[in-house]
Amino acid sequence: NFMLTQPHSVSESPGKTVTISCTRSSGSIASNYVQWYQQRPGSAPTTVIYEDNQRPSGVPDRFSGSIDSSSNSASLTISGLKTEDEADYYCQSYDSSNVVFGGGTKLTVL
Amino acid sequence: QVQLVQSGAEVKKPGASVKVSCKASGYTFTSYGISWVRQAPGQGLEWMGWISAYNGNTNYAQKLQGRVTMTTDTSTSTAYMELRSLRSDDTAVYYCARGTVTLNTWGQGTLVTVSS
Repeated sequence: NFMLTQPHSVSESPGKTVTISCTRSSGSIASNYVQWYQQRPGSAPTTVIYEDNQRPSGVPDRFSGSIDSSSNSASLTISGLKTEDEADYYCQSYDSSNVVFGGGTKLTVL
Repeated sequence: QVQLVQSGAEVKKPGASVKVSCKASGYTFTSYGISWVRQAPGQGLEWMGWISAYNGNTNYAQKLQGRVTMTTDTSTSTAYMELRSLRSDDTAVYYCARGTVTLNTWGQGTLVTVSS
């Protein structure tokens, strides 16, 4: 099994841009799609990025996803930060037999 | 619109079983799998497994093998997750989600509390 490692927390000011990383421990990050989920306190997760860089309808284009094979990692970038973006963010990927979530990153917008 | 509605909160004693339901609407049920994910209090998301609503094939997380069973009822577009031999560390919010490796719509969650 592989692991996905995220920073425990990040913080940034409203209007700025923040990037959350997700590093895969073994196997290529490019081999299987990466998804990103947003979870606000007391709520169920929602999908903000799927298949590495695709946005579901209704998700603003301030949210973008990418992968970097050189660092074997994926990134979620949120530009023009709003206070409503304050939440936990989880990356997720898979291999032939398992689905794996990252440990989650708490984004504080202050 | 696509919606997954889960059954209500449960309180169980250690050693008991729980069965959580997840009723789907707004899409062709058999065209997607259903995954189950749980979240212990203050913790991250943990994948439990998935079931194909098309043919009933399942894929369970290794740590839950032997204690978990996922099923579907295509006549009612409902998925079920049963967890047996409950322990205190099974206390969590249990979520269903549409999809197997890409989860694109989530249920509202079901709190299962295991306590003597």
